[in-house]
Amino acid sequence: NAGVMQNPRHLVRRRGQEARLRCSPMKGHSHVYWYRQLPEEGLKFMVYLQKENIIDESGMPKERFSAEFPKEGPSILRIQQVVRGDSAAYFCASSRQTGSNTEAFFGQGTRLTVV
Amino acid sequence: DQQVKQNSPSLSVQEGRISILNCDYTNSMFDYFLWYKKYPAEGPTFLISISSIKDKNEDGRFTVFLNKSAKHLSLHIVPSQPGDSAVYFCAANPNSGYALNFGKGTSLLVTP
Repeated sequence: NAGVMQNPRHLVRRRGQEARLRCSPMKGHSHVYWYRQLPEEGLKFMVYLQKENIIDESGMPKERFSAEFPKEGPSILRIQQVVRGDSAAYFCASSRQTGSNTEAFFGQGTRLTVV
Repeated sequence: DQQVKQNSPSLSVQEGRISILNCDYTNSMFDYFLWYKKYPAEGPTFLISISSIKDKNEDGRFTVFLNKSAKHLSLHIVPSQPGDSAVYFCAANPNSGYALNFGKGTSLLVTP
């Protein structure tokens, strides 16, 4: 399967715990984007990364959220001290190049539930 | 600040008929537009796109029309099939940009 792989598909965390979401881009893709979808909403851009670099994190909440895309391994979206409002579907996308006329391919998402 | 708007949350169409999904945008800097299809518990799947230098792009049963002066685009599916039942998201990208701006989606139901 050469698609964007996200894991876990479902994640349940208690308030105050940490959530780690993983994303492996499509083969040959070096650009990774994270989006969040709240209930009844569209997807909202969070962060754009290339290998070992955060290019744009303008959509990330200022506190508790961080992302990385190391030289080896998947991209990680980390949410510390989760709260109920963090419950959402988190989607990762990747692309071979970047720019306005580039299609991004999405993974199946991680559904985070904070109890 | 919703820059991409899909004002119809849902649409029901009979099999074989045409489905028309609409999308409006407010940012004149957007120059590339995409439609994604999403099934429940799945990620969005790219469907079709159009550059702002065109007013129409066709791919099989799917055609996207762009009216730049009205800041409006639409997705036509003809003939509609039950397997087309899904949520359709309109998305837009500004020139030199990479962060897609999504609408809230339109849920399409194609009935036999």
